[in-house]
Amino acid sequence: ETGVTQSPTHLIKTRGQQVTLRCSSQSGHNTVSWYQQALGQGPQFIFQYYREEENGRGNFPPRFSGLQFPNYSSELNVNALELDDSALYLCASSSGLAGGRLNNEQFFGPGTRLTVL
Amino acid sequence: SQELEQSPQSLIVQEGKNLTINCTSSKTLYGLYWYKQKYGEGLIFLMMLQKGGEEKSHEKITAKLDEKKQQSSLHITASQPSHAGIYLCGAFSGGSYIPTFGRGTSLIVHP
Repeated sequence: ETGVTQSPTHLIKTRGQQVTLRCSSQSGHNTVSWYQQALGQGPQFIFQYYREEENGRGNFPPRFSGLQFPNYSSELNVNALELDDSALYLCASSSGLAGGRLNNEQFFGPGTRLTVL
Repeated sequence: SQELEQSPQSLIVQEGKNLTINCTSSKTLYGLYWYKQKYGEGLIFLMMLQKGGEEKSHEKITAKLDEKKQQSSLHITASQPSHAGIYLCGAFSGGSYIPTFGRGTSLIVHP
C-alpha cells in the first residue's frame, strides 16, 4: 500500500509568482485535504476535495485554488505569491470525508516546503 | 470558530520519565485526533477519540477524552528519545468539515 506522496519536497519562488504543488493520495482514498503550516504553528486548513468537488474551505483568499483528478490525486495552486505564503504545505488523504458525522481518519504526506523571497 | 489550546508549549524530560500533554477546546468536542510531527515533516496519526470518557493506548502512549472539561490529555509512560517531536491535537467542531489544530507541544527527551 502506497502512502500519501507530495512533490516537490522544497521550492523557492519570488513574490508575485505562481506555484503548483502536487499530492497523490493513499491507495483507496477519495478525499484530499490541504493545509498550510507556518513555523511554530499548527496546520491551518485550506480546503478539502471529495470526488473532485471542493467540500469545505478555510479562511484563505481565492488566489489559493485546488483541483482533484479522477484518480483522486490533487493540486494546490497559489497565485500572486506573498512573503507570508512561506510555509510547509501538507496534504492529507482519507477514505471519505474528514469531519462531519463520519470523521474519517486522515493520513498526511511529508509536505512541501515553500519559501517565497 | 473552535480553538484548541495545548499545554505546555514545550517540554524537556529525562529518558524514563512520565509526561502529560493537554489539549483544551473552546467548544464542545465531538472527537479529537492526536498526531506526532517530526520537525519539518508530515504528521503521523497516533489515535482518534470519539466518545466522552474514551481512552486509547498505543505502545506507551495513552490518550483520554473528557467531554465535560472539553479537554483531552496525552500521557507518555517511561519516555524514550524516540518519543521526541511535536505533538498536535486536532478536532472538527460538531458537524463541520473544517478542522482546527492546536499549535503543538514540542517534546525533547534527553538520554
